[in-house]
Amino acid sequence: KQEVTQIPAALSVPEGENLVLNCSFTDSAIYNLQWFRQDPGKGLTSLLLIQSSQREQTSGRLNASLDKSSGRSTLYIAASQPGDSATYLCAVRPYTGANSKLTFGKGITLSVRP
Amino acid sequence: EAQVTQNPRYLITVTGKKLTVTCSQNMNHEYMSWYRQDPGLGLRQIYYSMNVEVTDKGDVPEGYKVSRKEKRNFPLILESPSPNQTSLYFCASSSIFQETQYFGPGTRLLVL
Repeated sequence: KQEVTQIPAALSVPEGENLVLNCSFTDSAIYNLQWFRQDPGKGLTSLLLIQSSQREQTSGRLNASLDKSSGRSTLYIAASQPGDSATYLCAVRPYTGANSKLTFGKGITLSVRP
Repeated sequence: EAQVTQNPRYLITVTGKKLTVTCSQNMNHEYMSWYRQDPGLGLRQIYYSMNVEVTDKGDVPEGYKVSRKEKRNFPLILESPSPNQTSLYFCASSSIFQETQYFGPGTRLLVL
């Protein structure tokens, strides 16, 4: 059974710092991995999707990498801002099956201090 | 604007009173899914649908029903809600070609 782990559960950094959020998964047979952002009381916003054949994806100040063989992904946030404060979740989709079910980590709650 | 909508956003009900949470997407997506989010447990899939009239159970389907009569709509039905179904519910959709999943804003349900 696939398990996704995100450690630490919470992180507080000063504004301007570059930071890395980690995600690990137990079964390397994945189809893709997706990073989401969740603001308090709100839905999930997709940030980046990495296919299993890719190593990284970039969008603005965000860069996500994937090392399938070691079961790890990282989300790099450059020059963090208070507006980046939110919970960041990673989710993996299994390689097999028609169900696009995502298995989620429990998320990392990020606080960026002005 | 491409979006997934859910209604209602907030709902307080009593044990046993049937309710329906609606979900609609305007992106012509084939795949739709329901998740619930609980503290300490994260997001777990309830039901999913690959296309019209094709639905199947996820990880936690007990106490829920769904239907997919139209491609854009995927309602979640609680025939006899119980307090352990108090949770935050999300609907999601994706194209089988694009893969990125889009989530609705969530429905916060309290069952007394």
